[in-house]
Amino acid sequence: DTAVSQTPKYLVTQMGNDKSIKCEQNLGHDTMYWYKQDSKKFLKIMFSYNNKELIINETVPNRFSPKSPDKAHLNLHINSLELGDSAVYFCASSQGQGNEQFFGPGTRLTVL
Amino acid sequence: AQSVTQPDIHITVSEGASLELRCNYSYGATPYLFWYVQSPGQGLQLLLKYFSGDTLVQGIKGFEAEFKRSQSSFNLRKPSVHWSDAAEYFCAVGGYSGNTPLVFGKGTRLSVIA
Repeated sequence: DTAVSQTPKYLVTQMGNDKSIKCEQNLGHDTMYWYKQDSKKFLKIMFSYNNKELIINETVPNRFSPKSPDKAHLNLHINSLELGDSAVYFCASSQGQGNEQFFGPGTRLTVL
Repeated sequence: AQSVTQPDIHITVSEGASLELRCNYSYGATPYLFWYVQSPGQGLQLLLKYFSGDTLVQGIKGFEAEFKRSQSSFNLRKPSVHWSDAAEYFCAVGGYSGNTPLVFGKGTRLSVIA
C-alpha cells in the first residue's frame, strides 16, 4: 500500500527527448508537489497543485509542464531535455499547504 | 517570508555518541515544524513533527526535537547514534494558516564512524 508512488524510478534518456514522470497518491490529500533535488541534495520546489489547480510555479523553464488529471495524480512532462535536468525528482502530497508532506521514492533522471 | 537555516552542512559523529542537529526558522505565525530523514537512494521520511503543545517531541528511531520559540529553533537530538543513522536530515517549517507549502532547509549530512 504505497502512499505516494512514482514511475519510473530510473529514467535515462538523450538530450532533446521528451519524457514524463507519473505520480499518484492514495492518501486522499488535496495538495501535490514536484521537487527537484540536485547533486548537493538541495530540495527545490517546482510546482504545487491544490485540488487540481496550479498554486505554485517556481522559476522553472517552461519546458517543464505539470498536469493534474485529478486530485490523486500529478504528472510532470519535460520537453527538450537538457543535461542540467539530470537530478532526482520527488513527488509529494499533503492535506492543505503548510502541513506534513508525504514523499514518493523519487525518480532519478539522467540526461546523456 | 518563511525560511529555514541548517547551519551545519556535514557532521561526523562516532557510533554511540550523542547527536544534535541544528535548525533555525523564520515564520510570522505559529509554526509547524518537521524533521525529515533521507537515507542514500531513498525518499524523505518524516522523523517527527511539532504542531503545538509539549515543546519536546518524540519521533521514530529514537529521535527527539525541542521547539524553542525564543530562539526560533527546533534542534534534533539523539542520545546514542547508530551507524544506520547516517543520512541526510532536513528541517522544514510550515503552518496552519500558511498558504505556502513547507519550506525546507538545505540539509545536514550525518556521517557515523566506528
